[in-house]
Amino acid sequence: TAGITQAPTSQILAAGRSMTLRCTQDMRHNAMYWYRQDLGLGLRLIHYSNTAGTTGKGEVPDGYSVSRANTDDFPLTLASAVPSQTSVYFCASSAASGGYNEQFFGPGTRLTVL
Amino acid sequence: GQNIDQPTEMTATEGAIVQINCTYQTSGFNGLFWYQQHAGEAPTFLSYNVLDGLEEKGRFSSFLSRSKGYSYLLLKELQMKDSASYLCAVRDSNYQLIWGAGTKLIIKP
Repeated sequence: TAGITQAPTSQILAAGRSMTLRCTQDMRHNAMYWYRQDLGLGLRLIHYSNTAGTTGKGEVPDGYSVSRANTDDFPLTLASAVPSQTSVYFCASSAASGGYNEQFFGPGTRLTVL
Repeated sequence: GQNIDQPTEMTATEGAIVQINCTYQTSGFNGLFWYQQHAGEAPTFLSYNVLDGLEEKGRFSSFLSRSKGYSYLLLKELQMKDSASYLCAVRDSNYQLIWGAGTKLIIKP
């Protein structure tokens, strides 16, 4: 079982360019999440989706947008990248947002904005 | 504000026991999670506590005291492969996870 896949694995992006990070899960999970992880900081939630067709803002949503057209896919778009968006980005999913439902993580995308 | 505190780094010896503490202050509480993250990899789930007390899973145990805003992860019979970062996360009143910065555990032979 693939679980959650992310693409690309890594990317170097020029400041001002746009980019979409892809995330796909095959577990039929309702909830999906995008986090960024920076050295010395905990994972920070960017955007989330509790079910297909709905999205919500997390702790650090500025500069990012998401869509959830179906259950499996949850792409994250940077409209105009800035160097402060250099980070490791993790996509995660869970069967539901509450209860005994742990989040499963994809392998991550390492993004460098120059 | 919301805050999760964990030690930045700990060192332990192979075969020994180590306890990693986590204190939290969050807007609401709907469970506490521990994850393991090896360098360069994704976090993987270890344990979940929602009621006070100890949850045991093999070599790993996790304890919760909601009144004290405190949890710990206990690792027994340490192995070299346990060298990793251990992340504490609390699900808040909005059902979102608030994460600590993680504790890097170094195991020495």
